[in-house]
Amino acid sequence: ETGVTQTPRHLVMGMTNKKSLKCEQHLGHNAMYWYKQSAKKPLELMFVYSLEERVENNSVPSRFSPECPNSSHLFLHLHTLQPEDSALYLCASSQFRGSRNEQFFGPGTRLTVL
Amino acid sequence: SQQGEEDPQALSIQEGENATMNCSYKTSINNLQWYRQNSGRGLVHLILIRSNEREKHSGRLRVTLDTSKKSSSLLITASRAADTASYFCATDSNYQLIWGAGTKLIIKP
Repeated sequence: ETGVTQTPRHLVMGMTNKKSLKCEQHLGHNAMYWYKQSAKKPLELMFVYSLEERVENNSVPSRFSPECPNSSHLFLHLHTLQPEDSALYLCASSQFRGSRNEQFFGPGTRLTVL
Repeated sequence: SQQGEEDPQALSIQEGENATMNCSYKTSINNLQWYRQNSGRGLVHLILIRSNEREKHSGRLRVTLDTSKKSSSLLITASRAADTASYFCATDSNYQLIWGAGTKLIIKP
């Protein structure tokens, strides 16, 4: 396995629920990422954390709230989601922030919003 | 806007044949990466090729880069059933990777 774990693997939630996605990397990396993958669309970068500091927020709605308590853990807090937010949410890490580094991905959380 | 764009969108070949996928991009790059994704799972890094490189090999994989045409190709030789997956190219832009929508490759036994 890649050393990046995500829980839960599947999540079904109603539009009024609050839930959190968790990501953990065991690779000693300094950068972590949240991506959204919808069917037949390119991966969309949501957030980037470098050394626990958020460095990118790609115009993501406020109903998605990231948290990075330390360099190994990353959370995505979900609140009042819409059906169009249903997608595969992927967490990734790399040794350093930047496009010169390969990214290591977790298996993803398949989210369904009813 | 989308930087990398893979072609074809889907490819179905017989086991043992070679598979070629292409990626085109719009702006200048420092490097280009190829990733594989098995159905509904995370992506796995395959190869990174830098803008000053023209060709790179890794096992049965061969990647070429033509910066004058802003394109790259991924060749998988002697395909196997386990190669069935989606393949994505990613180019760098402003410290981020910009992804294409992928090529879905099916290897028929």
